[in-house]
Amino acid sequence: DIQMTQSPSSLSASVGDRVTITCRASQSISSYLSWYQQKPGTAPKVLIYAASSLQSGVPSRFSGSGSATDFTLTISSLQPEDFATYYCQQSYSSPWTFGQGTKVEVK
Amino acid sequence: QVQLQESGPGLVKPSETLSLTCTVPGDSISRYYWSWIRQPPGRGLEWIGYIFHSGNIDYNPSLKSRLTISIDTSKNQVSLRLTSVTAADTAIYYCARKAITMVHYFDYWGQGTLVTVSS
Repeated sequence: DIQMTQSPSSLSASVGDRVTITCRASQSISSYLSWYQQKPGTAPKVLIYAASSLQSGVPSRFSGSGSATDFTLTISSLQPEDFATYYCQQSYSSPWTFGQGTKVEVK
Repeated sequence: QVQLQESGPGLVKPSETLSLTCTVPGDSISRYYWSWIRQPPGRGLEWIGYIFHSGNIDYNPSLKSRLTISIDTSKNQVSLRLTSVTAADTAIYYCARKAITMVHYFDYWGQGTLVTVSS
């Protein structure tokens, strides 16, 4: 299985901050990488697919970059509704696997 | 907005079989791949498997020996069956639709259903 490792596991930030979350794959996954946001008690919601493509309806302050083994999710200016847990997911090979999550908390 | 709805027992005894159903929009069941994903309380996400109406199926090897995913296009339902459950199978179970792209990602999710394995 391809292991996905996110860093950090949690971070504290303030509204307006630029936030960066990293996801590393245990082997090359090309651009088969997606990012999800999950708020407590709700299902995950896709933000980014194919490493850098913004899902329809997602605010442009979210962006993704990277390829092969190293990927980044950036929130350019953190908004109150962005405090949540973020997951990366690879779909390069089965079984599709997720990172362990990064919790973005209020500073 | 695409609505997916999971249903099934919230409590299953150890060693018994967990059975869940996901009702999906009728006009899309034959056009998309449908997945099950689970999340133990307070923990991360685990992909369980997917199915396409043609019979194309893929399972997570960690669950394959206990798992059956099926589809009934006449009822617009995707089902999950997991045998010989233990406390480790306690989780929120989600059904999700795979977007029609080369990259496999989930563009719509059900609200999830909590299944607790306990005697």
